[in-house]
Amino acid sequence: EAGVAQSPRYKIIEKRQSVAFWCNPISGHATLYWYQQILGQGPKLLIQFQNNGVVDDSQLPKDRFSAERLKGVDSTLKIQPAKLEDSAVYLCASSFSEGHEQFFGPGTRLTVL
Amino acid sequence: GEDVEQSLFLSVREGDSSVINCTYTDSSSTYLYWYKQEPGAGLQLLTYIFSNMDMKQDQRLTVLLNKKDKHLSLRIADTQTGDSAIYFCAVEAGNNRKLIWGLGTSLAVNP
Repeated sequence: EAGVAQSPRYKIIEKRQSVAFWCNPISGHATLYWYQQILGQGPKLLIQFQNNGVVDDSQLPKDRFSAERLKGVDSTLKIQPAKLEDSAVYLCASSFSEGHEQFFGPGTRLTVL
Repeated sequence: GEDVEQSLFLSVREGDSSVINCTYTDSSSTYLYWYKQEPGAGLQLLTYIFSNMDMKQDQRLTVLLNKKDKHLSLRIADTQTGDSAIYFCAVEAGNNRKLIWGLGTSLAVNP
């Protein structure tokens, strides 16, 4: 069974630029999560999708972050414009349904200069 | 709000047992998880325990849950250098079953 795929693996941008991350969850998984993991901290949930609907985006900085999962499969997370404090690893996870165990992708390491 | 706490560092000798501890605040938590993160890698689910259990064993891993004290531990028997990683405790909380994460315990295994 293929795992959660993410791209790119690494991205370096300057502040005020835009960036987008892509995630392909495990086939058949209805729930998709985006997390931000700052160095030395645990993951922080940014947004959770159930199929193509948003379940929880309470910690998503909506003035600069956006995410979509239009067909209920792949998802993209965008930051526009980026700030220095956005430097982190962005992790995508999926689960069969809400409350089931989450499987994580390798993450995208973002550096904002 | 809900909180999960872990000690930040643990150092053991190869072949010894490692015990990583975690405390949490939400008494209604149903599932409690241990994840492993190796350098530059994503999070790998190691094991989990349901709240009506007090122990779960899976090969070299033993999870102990003390619901009264809201304390969870992960014991790794015969620790190997390949076990060096950061171990995260994560607890389901709230009606929406969101995962609340600890800061992670960095395990160093010395030859």
